[in-house]
Amino acid sequence: AAGVIQSPRHLIKEKRETATLKCYPIPRHDTVYWYQQGPGQDPQFLISFYEKMQSDKGSIPDRFSAQQFSDYHSELNMSSLELGDSALYFCASSQGQVGETQYFGPGTRLLVL
Amino acid sequence: AQSVAQPEDQVNVAEGNPLTVKCTYSVSGNPYLFWYVQYPNRGLQFLLKYITGDNLVKGSYGFEAEFNKSQTSFHLKKPSALVSDSALYFCAVRDPYNFNKFYFGSGTKLNVKP
Repeated sequence: AAGVIQSPRHLIKEKRETATLKCYPIPRHDTVYWYQQGPGQDPQFLISFYEKMQSDKGSIPDRFSAQQFSDYHSELNMSSLELGDSALYFCASSQGQVGETQYFGPGTRLLVL
Repeated sequence: AQSVAQPEDQVNVAEGNPLTVKCTYSVSGNPYLFWYVQYPNRGLQFLLKYITGDNLVKGSYGFEAEFNKSQTSFHLKKPSALVSDSALYFCAVRDPYNFNKFYFGSGTKLNVKP
């Protein structure tokens, strides 16, 4: 079965640079979620989109923005990168919202030097 | 606020023995509870969920979890552990008032020794 696709899988950036992470949800899934997982930490919710509209916002820094496109893929844009942004970034998707399971992608590992 | 707690950072069990990974929750309203497993450098994989119905939920790879409302627990269990079960396990709760939000526990590292 098709899974959530994330690209790139690994990314190395320097401080103050920008990065764009992409997420392609499972076909027919209309909801996308972004999470940040620091080393040894549990995933922290950043932001979510339902039917191309932002549905909720978590602990996402102002330097980050995201959107969901007409084909339901989503992009997380990160600017003025800081060392502390180094983490594993997960995208998850679900069909609808109520009680539905989130299926996670493999993650993008971002290293900021 | 909604939250889950995983009281054990690590659980060690011998292959073939039963395993339990503990999770307790704090939710206002009916809880939607999930277990995920994470292998090294991999994404979170869904194991099972409790929304409503039978308190014993069966999931992938022979795992099951028991929802206990009086103890506010949702422990993950498996009758016979495999070495390949060694991974990081996360309990999660979905906010019943905001379905976009998942709250994850801190994770429990399961070590299954041959």
